[in-house]
Amino acid sequence: QVQLQESGPGLVKPSETLSLTCAVSGGSFDTNILWTWIRQPPGEGLEWIGEISHGGFTDYNPSLKSRLTISLDKSKSQVSLKLNSVTAADTAVYYCARTPSRHIVPSDPILNWFFDVWGRGTLVTVSS
Amino acid sequence: DIQMTQSPSSLSASLGDSVTITCRASHYISIYLNWYRQKPGKAPEFLIYAASTLQSGVPSRFSGSGSGTDFTLTISSLQPEDFATYYCQHSYRTPYTFGQGTKLEIK
Repeated sequence: QVQLQESGPGLVKPSETLSLTCAVSGGSFDTNILWTWIRQPPGEGLEWIGEISHGGFTDYNPSLKSRLTISLDKSKSQVSLKLNSVTAADTAVYYCARTPSRHIVPSDPILNWFFDVWGRGTLVTVSS
Repeated sequence: DIQMTQSPSSLSASLGDSVTITCRASHYISIYLNWYRQKPGKAPEFLIYAASTLQSGVPSRFSGSGSGTDFTLTISSLQPEDFATYYCQHSYRTPYTFGQGTKLEIK
């Protein structure tokens, strides 16, 4: 049973860099699995941050792309997130999620990606 | 970005009731639609993919339907653990987006 555990500083100062790690246990980095970061500001909804593939290919939310780096360390079974130049608007619970896919429409090459295993999340507050 | 709009934003129901939540996409997304349940203080749980396929282990009282731009999640015979917030999410293209959530409360 795959388990994910996010970790990192709970408090980051404005303009500094937010760095988080997601430890993956009980599973392997399969070639057909992506690893996704999602965040949720207090009392609000969910925002897709970005994803990384087994081969290290990334796809980022355009709203965060200029400040964001997601990386993968297969030797340590870890996925990392770095978000620089943070502001109070980046205060949120940050989740990592395992992201498999299904080919659901025979005539359509698009894969249906979904978040089937989530970490418990870690709250990051941006404040001086 | 494709916008996802859920309705209602909140609703009240009693144990044993049946409820339906609607999710509308701002663009055609075929059946690339997933549903999640989030209990207070917990991470979301994955329920349904491809609009209507239950994830393994999800009780059969959950059902989903729809295609194109309009989708529904129906929960029959509500159990105590179902009083939570529900989110739809499209996977048609990145950036993937979620609905704003529907909070289901006990009446």
